[in-house]
Amino acid sequence: EAGVAQSPRYKIIEKRQSVAFWCNPISGHATLYWYQQILGQGPKLLIQFQNNGVVDDSQLPKDRFSAERLKGVDSTLKIQPAKLEDSAVYLCASSPLQGVANVLTFGAGSRLTVL
Amino acid sequence: AQKVTQAQTEISVVEKEDVTLDCVYETRDTTYYLFWYKQPPSGELVFLIRRNSFDEQNEISGRYSWNFQKSTSSFNFTITASQVVDSAVYFCALILYNQGGKLIFGQGTELSVKP
Repeated sequence: EAGVAQSPRYKIIEKRQSVAFWCNPISGHATLYWYQQILGQGPKLLIQFQNNGVVDDSQLPKDRFSAERLKGVDSTLKIQPAKLEDSAVYLCASSPLQGVANVLTFGAGSRLTVL
Repeated sequence: AQKVTQAQTEISVVEKEDVTLDCVYETRDTTYYLFWYKQPPSGELVFLIRRNSFDEQNEISGRYSWNFQKSTSSFNFTITASQVVDSAVYFCALILYNQGGKLIFGQGTELSVKP
């Protein structure tokens, strides 16, 4: 079974520029998550999708971050404009249908450096 | 509010030593789930174990064992006879009942096993 695919693996941008990250979950997984992991910290949930609907985006900074999951498969996370504090690894994860406490399968992440 | 604390930031051991990673959690909910994930240098988080709050039985899986004590709100992880391949960052995490994939992570413990 193929894992969760993410691209790009690394991205360096100047502050105020924009960036987009792409995620392809495990085939058949209805639920998709984006987590932000700042260096030295544990990951924090940004947004959770069930198929192509948003379940939880309470921790997403909506003034600059947006995410979509068209057709309930791939997802894109966009940051515009980027700030220095957005430097982090953006982890995508997926799981089967929404359950009580899902076991998530994570991708390798996209590392963003904002200069 | 919910919180997970991993007080050990870094641990260094020599191969074949036993090592225990501590995890303390805070929640007022009575139904919740606890997880451990491993993050090797490649970056993806790898699921190790999930326990629910009503199951305090200790668990052993090969060289790994977990000790769950509700009385002290702890869910500690022990690696017996550590190996170099165990070197990674280990995260403890909490999910409240029916929160699906909203993991609340600790800060992580970086384990270094030297030959």
